[in-house]
Amino acid sequence: DQQVKQNSPSLSVQEGRISILNCDYTNSMFDYFLWYKKYPAEGPTFLISISSIKDKNEDGRFTVFLNKSAKHLSLHIVPSQPGDSAVYFCAALTQGGSEKLVFGKGTKLTVNP
Amino acid sequence: DTGVSQNPRHKITKRGQNVTFRCDPISEHNRLYWYRQTLGQGPEFLTYFQNEAQLEKSRLLSDRFSAERPKGSFSTLEIQRTEQGDSAMYLCASSLAGAGIDTQYFGPGTRLTVL
Repeated sequence: DQQVKQNSPSLSVQEGRISILNCDYTNSMFDYFLWYKKYPAEGPTFLISISSIKDKNEDGRFTVFLNKSAKHLSLHIVPSQPGDSAVYFCAALTQGGSEKLVFGKGTKLTVNP
Repeated sequence: DTGVSQNPRHKITKRGQNVTFRCDPISEHNRLYWYRQTLGQGPEFLTYFQNEAQLEKSRLLSDRFSAERPKGSFSTLEIQRTEQGDSAMYLCASSLAGAGIDTQYFGPGTRLTVL
């Protein structure tokens, strides 16, 4: 049972435009959501997180939006840069319970110059 | 570099052999996690420690797998009698339990290939 779903395996955008990566979840007990970026042959790098009590969190070019009623979150990257090309993973956890992160399968973002 | 480190980065072994991986977390972090990632999938949780106590193990962690964190600092993950299905990237992460979100920071991983 996939509790965190990233339904788009890949996304291609032009440099300077907006990249929107989507994530859906099924477990209403999740109370934190995180996005990680992963380059080939490296471990995931933490990007940004959001608590379930918020609907938006912004950090520079990265903004995460959370729609709890739809069990949906998205990561916006504006403007996109070629160095953003990587696999992006959405992850969720339930604080105070198991501390494990539950990951989606990832979306490969390609930013074309 | 004060990030999470893992050794070795790559390991090739023959089926049936035992392998051991090491993870050194960020020095002040008291939680340490092991994940496994296979091609086309996101990382999957294996186990985690708070200080030296192993608090949770996934059903993915068969009896052939054992993890330790003897002094609450570095950790080792041992796989006995390796099988081809064990081929994967093994990721270690650490975090500091306390106020706010328990953000996990990952190491570069150990890629295991079982022939």
